[in-house]
Amino acid sequence: GQQLNQSPQSMFIQEGEDVSMNCTSSSIFNTWLWYKQDPGEGPVLLIALYKAGELTSNGRLTAQFGITRKDSFLNISASIPSDVGIYFCAGLGSSNTGKLIFGQGTTLQVKP
Amino acid sequence: GAGVSQSPSNKVTEKGKDVELRCDPISGHTALYWYRQRLGQGLEFLIYFQGNSAPDKSGLPSDRFSAERTGESVSTLTIQRTQQEDSAVYLCASSLRGAKNIQYFGAGTRLSVL
Repeated sequence: GQQLNQSPQSMFIQEGEDVSMNCTSSSIFNTWLWYKQDPGEGPVLLIALYKAGELTSNGRLTAQFGITRKDSFLNISASIPSDVGIYFCAGLGSSNTGKLIFGQGTTLQVKP
Repeated sequence: GAGVSQSPSNKVTEKGKDVELRCDPISGHTALYWYRQRLGQGLEFLIYFQGNSAPDKSGLPSDRFSAERTGESVSTLTIQRTQQEDSAVYLCASSLRGAKNIQYFGAGTRLSVL
């Protein structure tokens, strides 16, 4: 089945630093999504990407849909303590069901 | 309600018992999804409901798992004869339509099978 490889698995950074994480797949996705999950909560959507090559920003967050449709990255600039959490990429394939395939997550810790 | 609501938030059960988990989607959302999240892992798709169409059950791990949905409202995920490997957070999401539309997640039910 379809799988997403997300890296890095975890990051421990200093407040103010920039962060980059990415996802790759062996198969094509038509939509890439990036979610953030706080402890005890469900994932919350950060950015949605619908076209190959698309670059989208949401405040300090920037994400890109790879040209090959098999990868995506998320950048966070000037990190702050509230950026702490688990970040997931998710892909939506050609199926009409809306079934999302999730990466394993990147745990981000920010040192004030 | 304002968001996806799941109950209970935590459930502890003994191995072999049946459990029922409930999801109330956002009003007006026609699509509803169940996912399972094991500790330190990403979300695994379980089942998808869209309106009156036959549900996509392709992610259910065994015949001990089943789910029902009444119209376009409440859904119940049932796990029969629970096993320790069923311990996980079960997350529900809803969206306006099946594909492309954004899925909004509930806070999940944390299931612990002793």
